[in-house]
Amino acid sequence: RKEVEQDPGPFNVPEGATVAFNCTYSNSASQSFFWYRQDCRKEPKLLMSVYSSGNEDGRFTAQLNRASQYISLLIRDSKLSDSATYLCVVNMTGGFKTIFGAGTRLFVKA
Amino acid sequence: DVKVTQSSRYLVKRTGEKVFLECVQDMDHENMFWYRQDPGLGLRLIYFSYDVKMKEKGDIPEGYSVSREKKERFSLILESASTNQTSMYLCASTGTGNQPQHFGDGTRLSIL
Repeated sequence: RKEVEQDPGPFNVPEGATVAFNCTYSNSASQSFFWYRQDCRKEPKLLMSVYSSGNEDGRFTAQLNRASQYISLLIRDSKLSDSATYLCVVNMTGGFKTIFGAGTRLFVKA
Repeated sequence: DVKVTQSSRYLVKRTGEKVFLECVQDMDHENMFWYRQDPGLGLRLIYFSYDVKMKEKGDIPEGYSVSREKKERFSLILESASTNQTSMYLCASTGTGNQPQHFGDGTRLSIL
């Protein structure tokens, strides 16, 4: 079993749709959690951190369920510019071990 | 904003050459990382460093070495480049604790 597993995708959605990405992690020692966005042929960029209480940044909402070892990212009112690969990222204690999910590709179409 | 700068965006080298990839960060971060990313394989950790002159092997260190003589600079060395080292190489840095990693623009390396 992979340490971090994401929906395989790709997701194809129309503009304006709401889309949800799911991610599970296997190591209960995981300390911190992030979502990154990666555009084609570019570097991953931090989208948002994920907090236990859940957090929101504009159209993006991240949730963490430690009991179920589950992280989610919700994108509301999808834009064409949201088309990218979304990576779920988990840090182990001390930050020395970071596990990147394989990513879920999102295509938003007009 | 954190700035991680990689020396080259695109690089073409020949088999057997010694190749140096340089990475510099401006945030006084303790931890620096080198990854490679290939289609279908995701990000794979080559080496990381948690302090000057310290280095640790990642998941795929074979054929690579690293150098960290100064805190802000982390170099990846391909001792004798081979065609299977053609890839996108990404450098990242982070501070202590559970901070997110910040990536450089990446270097697309082709070995002919």
